[in-house]
Amino acid sequence: SAVISQKPSRDICQRGTSLTIQCQVDSQVTMMFWYRQQPGQSLTLIATANQGSEATYESGFVIDKFPISRPNLTFSTLTVSNMSPEDSSIYLCSVVGPSSYEQYFGPGTRLTVT
Amino acid sequence: GIQVEQSPPDLILQEGANSTLRCNFSDSVNNLQWFHQNPWGQLINLFYIPSGTKQNGRLSATTVATERYSLLYISSSQTTDSGVYFCAVKGRPDRGSTLGRLYFGRGTQLTVWP
Repeated sequence: SAVISQKPSRDICQRGTSLTIQCQVDSQVTMMFWYRQQPGQSLTLIATANQGSEATYESGFVIDKFPISRPNLTFSTLTVSNMSPEDSSIYLCSVVGPSSYEQYFGPGTRLTVT
Repeated sequence: GIQVEQSPPDLILQEGANSTLRCNFSDSVNNLQWFHQNPWGQLINLFYIPSGTKQNGRLSATTVATERYSLLYISSSQTTDSGVYFCAVKGRPDRGSTLGRLYFGRGTQLTVWP
């Protein structure tokens, strides 16, 4: 399995500000994924982050709003920019485990925007 | 992308009861996983089961890939089983799915009363 940590675990932010979420994995992985879970909803993929290349964003998500960095094979950051209350969600980092089949999720960052 | 439907959306049980959760998907899949999201928002891996049957304690799962469905069985339910159960699949990139992306159902909210 893969052990994933995220920082911060939760935060309360004011609208118009930005928050950077960190994701650290205990092993080297090729692909890292960022998901969003809005209150009472299912999980939606924001983007896929590969080391050494630009992140690939899903429809409805743009780099200016959710810039992503992937400096090495064990670490990634997601920034939520110019936040509004609609950005209040749980943000989860995910990787495929060493077997390259099963996918694992970090504990999530619970963001509230006031 | 691939469509994932879960039923029932809500399930309320008395402790000790058994239950069956269903997941239907719209196309061939490379991967199917069941997750339990606990009240703190963390996603716990239950099964990686693209086909066949697996058991882990009181939980078991069966996927019939040719008929595009999976079932999760919970026996002798306990209050700690409460939470949301998600089914998620990876579609085939040659059929329009994003490489590596998990497509989630809306989940089944399970409440177990003592």
